[in-house]
Order: sequence, then C-alpha cells, then structure tokens
Amino acid sequence: KAGVTQTPRYLIKTRGQQVTLSCSPISGHRSVSWYQQTPGQGLQFLFEYFSETQRNKGNFPGRFSGRQFSNSRSEMNVSTLELGDSALYLCASSHETGNYEQYFGPGTRLTVT
Amino acid sequence: GQNIDQPTEMTATEGAIVQINCTYQTSGFNGLFWYQQHAGEAPTFLSYNVLDGLEEKGRFSSFLSRSKGYSYLLLKELQMKDSASYLCAVRDGGSTLGRLYFGRGTQLTVWP
Repeated sequence: KAGVTQTPRYLIKTRGQQVTLSCSPISGHRSVSWYQQTPGQGLQFLFEYFSETQRNKGNFPGRFSGRQFSNSRSEMNVSTLELGDSALYLCASSHETGNYEQYFGPGTRLTVT
Repeated sequence: GQNIDQPTEMTATEGAIVQINCTYQTSGFNGLFWYQQHAGEAPTFLSYNVLDGLEEKGRFSSFLSRSKGYSYLLLKELQMKDSASYLCAVRDGGSTLGRLYFGRGTQLTVWP
C-alpha cells in the first residue's frame, strides 16, 4: 500500500498571500488529521476530517481551514499568511476516527517571507 | 487544558538501554501513543497503550499507568539509527475523539 502523500513538499510564500496544501491518505483510510509542527510549539492539532465532515478543530484562527473530498483526499488552506505560519504541515490518516493509530505523510515545509 | 511533559534531550551509548518518560494531564484519555521522528522526516508510529501495563514490540516497549498519568518508552540494545526525536501523544476522549495532543518530543542521541 502506498503511504500518505502530501503536495507540495516545499513552498515559499510572502505575507498576505494564501496557500493550499494537499493530502492523499492511505487507500481505505477515511480519517485525515492535520498538524502544524514548529520548533517552538512542537506538533499542534489543526483539524480532523472524516467522511467529508470536520470532526475536530484545534485552537487556530479562522485563517486556517480545510475540507475533505469524497475520495478522502483532503486540503487545507491558510489565508492572509503571517510570518509565524512558517512551519512543517503534517497530514495523518487513519482507518477510522477513534482508537486507530495515525500514519503521517512527509509533510509540506511552508516558509513565509 | 492539556499538558504533556517529556524530557527535552537524552543521550546514551550503543547497546545500552534508555527509558524516556512522559507525564500527562488531559481532560479526557483514550490512549497514549509513541512516535519516532528522524530529522527532516515524518513521525512514524511506534506503540499504543490504552490499558495499564507493558506492551512489548521487539527492542521497544511502552508502559502506561493511567492513575499516575505516566508512560515510558523503553529502548533496548540501542543502535545509532535510534538517534531521533521521540514523541509522546495522548488521544483525547469524548466529543474530541481522535484528536492527539503531542509532547514537545525527546531528542535522543546515541553515541558509538
């Protein structure tokens, strides 16, 4: 089985722009979670989608949004980028929501200048 | 709030045993996970505990005490390739089922 894939792997944007990141889960996995990883804050939960519905949301401003498609692929969008949004954005998929381990993708490294 | 603590750094030598501790205080609990993350790579799943006790998987073991809010990851017969960051994560329960809270990670360096 192919693992979780994320595109693009690297991205450079300027302040004020918006960005869309994509995640394709492992085949058969219906739950997709997004995390932000920074050296200062570690891994922080952004949101989780299951069957095209947002199930959980972390403590991030409304500039961070996401969606999930019928094929379980997910996108996250960040509008009005700020310097502090520079981070590694990780997507993780699991078979179901709940008591199942999550498998992480390689991440998208976003740099905001 | 959610609070997950683990040491920032640890060092050990090849062939040795190392124990990485994790303490947590969360409003709900539905399992504790350990992940390994090499520099520049994604976290990879190591272990999962939801009941008290020890789970053994090859050179790695993980222990959980729910009453104490405590877990540890035990790595035996250390190898150079075990140098990585080890992340402790707690799965919330109830209405936020599925959400993981991560510690900051423990950077383990294995010396020859």
